[in-house]
Amino acid sequence: LAKTTQPISMDSYEGQEVNITCSHNNIATNDYITWYQQFPSQGPRFIIQGYKTKVTNEVASLFIPADRKSSTLSLPRVSLSDTAVYYCLVGPYGGATNKLIFGTGTLLAVQP
Amino acid sequence: DAEITQSPRHKITETGRQVTLACHQTWNHNNMFWYRQDLGHGLRLIHYSYGVQDTNKGEVSDGYSVSRSNTEDLPLTLESAASSQTSVYFCASSDDRGSSYNEQFFGPGTRLTVL
Repeated sequence: LAKTTQPISMDSYEGQEVNITCSHNNIATNDYITWYQQFPSQGPRFIIQGYKTKVTNEVASLFIPADRKSSTLSLPRVSLSDTAVYYCLVGPYGGATNKLIFGTGTLLAVQP
Repeated sequence: DAEITQSPRHKITETGRQVTLACHQTWNHNNMFWYRQDLGHGLRLIHYSYGVQDTNKGEVSDGYSVSRSNTEDLPLTLESAASSQTSVYFCASSDDRGSSYNEQFFGPGTRLTVL
């Protein structure tokens, strides 16, 4: 499974757009990119997943360049409640191979 | 509503004791996972199961065992608890039948302290 690298922490203010970039140079052809969010004292929660170009849902957008060696999670207009750890994961999806490797994640601190 | 639960939520035990952490899901998911989370290490996979009677070792399986006798439950057993196993344990499940996402559903966690 491809190793990912992401910043340890980021700071932001309420109302700003936040972009968290993840590097995955060894991504395989059948790998998808998945992001999870974890609040203190809770288990991680799925946010978004993509394979290439751009994916958007009600929570976030995921941008993946053509070479797929990196990806960017974009959170529009963050609020204090977006303070959490965000994990970038890379691996094949579905079937019997969907165990995921979590790194240390990025701690996003949103200030008023 | 379907859910995934863990019990106990907090546990204090002594070195050398056997401890079992319960995980129960009502999603009817085939796949179930156990992770531990420690400061500086993120989440690390302990064991996982793709169905009844199937179990597999993860990256930090030493000192832990699991068994899968039905779809709903994957108990995690610490055979002889050690202080290094003090951690927060998360159970998760996922569906491999037509799912479009690597979406694992996590339980609330169990905080285990080994004295």
